[in-house]
Amino acid sequence: NAGVTQTPKFRILKIGQSMTLQCAQDMNHNYMYWYRQDPGMGLKLIYYSVGAGITDKGEVPNGYNVSRSTTEDFPLRLELAAPSQTSVYFCASSSSGTGPGELFFGEGSRLTVL
Amino acid sequence: GNSVTQMEGPVTLSEEAFLTINCTYTATGYPSLFWYVQYPGEGLQLLLKATKADDKGSNKGFEATYRKETTSFHLEKGSVQVSDSAVYFCALSDRDYGQNFVFGPGTRLSVLP
Repeated sequence: NAGVTQTPKFRILKIGQSMTLQCAQDMNHNYMYWYRQDPGMGLKLIYYSVGAGITDKGEVPNGYNVSRSTTEDFPLRLELAAPSQTSVYFCASSSSGTGPGELFFGEGSRLTVL
Repeated sequence: GNSVTQMEGPVTLSEEAFLTINCTYTATGYPSLFWYVQYPGEGLQLLLKATKADDKGSNKGFEATYRKETTSFHLEKGSVQVSDSAVYFCALSDRDYGQNFVFGPGTRLSVLP
């Protein structure tokens, strides 16, 4: 059971570079999320999606972009990386139903911007 | 807006000690409440949940009761083990606003042998 798969697990970027964090889930979940976790802090929502073709901003969207062309994939794009984007990024998914379901998380992607 | 407040950490306990991690929330609507756990080097995973007032969630010896009157969801365990060392996050999801979860800042627990 793969669940939520994130790649890469680790990456070092130089200031101004761009990259894409990949996220894929095989549970047919309609909801997907990107969070960042800074040291000693809780998770902050960057972007989320309620289904293919639909995305919306979370609490901290600046400097990021997302797309959702399929149910399975939800990549996060960082344009013009800045040191403030050094963080651990988590992708998560969940399903709709009769009520809020649990979130299923990937293992995280640790990004350092130097 | 919705928010979650957790007790400050880190918390250090000896093995077999009693654990309480306090969590209170502010929300409109009728949220579901969750405790997530993050072991070192891993992503978060659901520990337990409660979807309505007076529900008790339990798993792996941990318990938490949804108290609407005090807007609280405190995590307890009667006897902690070294393997319980992790960061614990309280969270809520307000169905009136879709599936957007709000997480507390996390409480780091260290259990010493």
